[in-house]
Amino acid sequence: EADIYQTPRYLVIGTGKKITLECSQTMGHDKMYWYQQDPGMELHLIHYSYGVNSTEKGDLSSESTVSRIRTEHFPLTLESARPSHTSQYLCASSDTGPPALEQYFGPGTRLTVT
Amino acid sequence: SQQGEEDPQALSIQEGENATMNCSYKTSINNLQWYRQNSGRGLVHLILIRSNEREKHSGRLRVTLDTSKKSSSLLITASRAADTASYFCATDPGGYNKLIFGAGTRLAVHP
Repeated sequence: EADIYQTPRYLVIGTGKKITLECSQTMGHDKMYWYQQDPGMELHLIHYSYGVNSTEKGDLSSESTVSRIRTEHFPLTLESARPSHTSQYLCASSDTGPPALEQYFGPGTRLTVT
Repeated sequence: SQQGEEDPQALSIQEGENATMNCSYKTSINNLQWYRQNSGRGLVHLILIRSNEREKHSGRLRVTLDTSKKSSSLLITASRAADTASYFCATDPGGYNKLIFGAGTRLAVHP
């Protein structure tokens, strides 16, 4: 079992609310990632970080923002939630490569915006 | 799909049978990885194969990679009901762990 945690697991919230999805890992990994996944679909990388104070946007454009102030913590924030943000958000981490290494995933946060 | 296709989209078999899933991709890669996802939860890494490798085994899993055809296959032998899950291939074009995932194959193994 990977030591990477996400809270909350489920969140139902109204349009316009600010939300923060938490992700933390205890493996000391430098690299962390946020993916967005709609039901039955592929994962899309929306943010990644190579280390503290390093964040970049992924291949899929997202209105969310992230921060990396501590190695173990990589929260994702939506300033004003909309129904189009309804999705599952998965956080992952990996050790520093090369060579390329596997990613460890958290259990995900299922977000519903009404 | 942003990188490739997985085939089939869904597969239903009986316990004890073998399951084969295929993945095709579009760009050159540094490595290709397979992950399993149970019931919409987080993904679990299964196996990684590098671009200079052709075949890799891990327990009941066998992965092949054909870079000339830009394709990979995952074989699960002697399947069990617990293997029921979605299986995703993910490519790493640059070797920097920025993965591009396929749409996945949903495998159902019936007792």
